[in-house]
Parts: sequence; structure tokens; C-alpha cells
Amino acid sequence: AQTVTQSQPEMSVQEAETVTLSCTYDTSESDYYLFWYKQPPSRQMILVIRQEAYKQQNATENRFSVNFQKAAKSFSLKISDSQLGDAAMYFCAYSGNFGNEKLTFGTGTRLTIIP
Amino acid sequence: NAGVMQNPRHLVRRRGQEARLRCSPMKGHSHVYWYRQLPEEGLKFMVYLQKENIIDESGMPKERFSAEFPKEGPSILRIQQVVRGDSAAYFCASSPDETQYFGPGTRLLVL
Repeated sequence: AQTVTQSQPEMSVQEAETVTLSCTYDTSESDYYLFWYKQPPSRQMILVIRQEAYKQQNATENRFSVNFQKAAKSFSLKISDSQLGDAAMYFCAYSGNFGNEKLTFGTGTRLTIIP
Repeated sequence: NAGVMQNPRHLVRRRGQEARLRCSPMKGHSHVYWYRQLPEEGLKFMVYLQKENIIDESGMPKERFSAEFPKEGPSILRIQQVVRGDSAAYFCASSPDETQYFGPGTRLLVL
């Protein structure tokens, strides 16, 4: 079974600075998808970024980018120019490659932005 | 394009009652997933449905829980004879492909 591990229960960063959230996963598959979701205090789950395992290029979405290391099974999220609105729980998630498969989530990292 | 809709947003039930949670997927999405989030935990998969079919129910408790996604209307997650341990946030997601988009969740409180 696939597992997703987020080893940082809490992180904090100064506003406008850069922070990196860690995620590792375990799978025997060669093709799969990885995601970062954000859950602000409203508790809505918001998709931040997604990465296809067969793509070597790291995904980016504005201030959000990932460092995908397939051999190491590592998928970290970098947030640049942190803003107060980035404060949230961040969940890393894994999905298999057969399409429309369930997501396996990590336990989350609570990110605090210091003004 | 409206997002994933869930109702009610908050639901209070007494032990032994039934809870019905509804989910309307995004327009054009025919795949629906249900997840449960206990306090201070991540989301745990419960069930994956397509119209009129349960595709994967490996995360569903064996008793009291059921789900459906009829040809017409929303997907329903039904919890019979609720217990205090059922108190959680229940999220629905829909997808057109590998990416799932979540609804706002239903917070169930069992007294």
C-alpha cells in the first residue's frame, strides 16, 4: 500500500520569505500523480499544485513550486514571497496512474506566517 | 462553473439517528469520492463512485455506512445509527481525470 509522510507537523515563516514543506512517499509503481492541497481555517480543501511522475520538469504555479525527486521519492513544496493568506494546513497526496484513483494523504503541515 | 456542492454544511445528530450527506459534483464530472477527516488528522478515503456504480469502497466501515450515486441527483453518504466516533468532517470530491476538486465539507456532530 502507498504511504505518504509529512515529517514537519508545524512550520513558520516570516512574511515575504521562502519556506519549503517536505513530503516523502512510498510506492512500487512507476507512474503516479502527486498533489499539494491547502486547507485554510475555513477548512475548504484547495488544490495548490500537481505533478505527474513521468514528467521530469518540476511543476510551478505562480509563487508555488515543487522539487520532485523521483528516485528519492520526495516531493517538497516551496512557497516564495510568503503572504498572510498562505497560512493553512498543507497536505501532500498521492494517486496511482490508472486514472480516477483515490488520494492517499499525509498528516499535514501547519504553516504559520509571521507578519 | 459552480464548484462541488455539499449539504448540509453542518449536521447535528443524536446517537442512534441517521445522517444523510449530499454531494453534487462539478458539471461534467462523473466521478465522486468521499473522504473523512477526524479532528487534527488528514483526510482518509472512504468510497469512490461513478453514476450508479460503486468502484472502490475499500475505506468504508463495514457496518452502518453506505453510499450511492444515482443516475439523477446528488451522491449520498448515509450513516445509520450514528455514534460519537462518527463526529468528523466529511468531504466529497469530484474529478474529470486524475485531479480531484473538493467541496466545502459537511461537519457532523454526534451528541
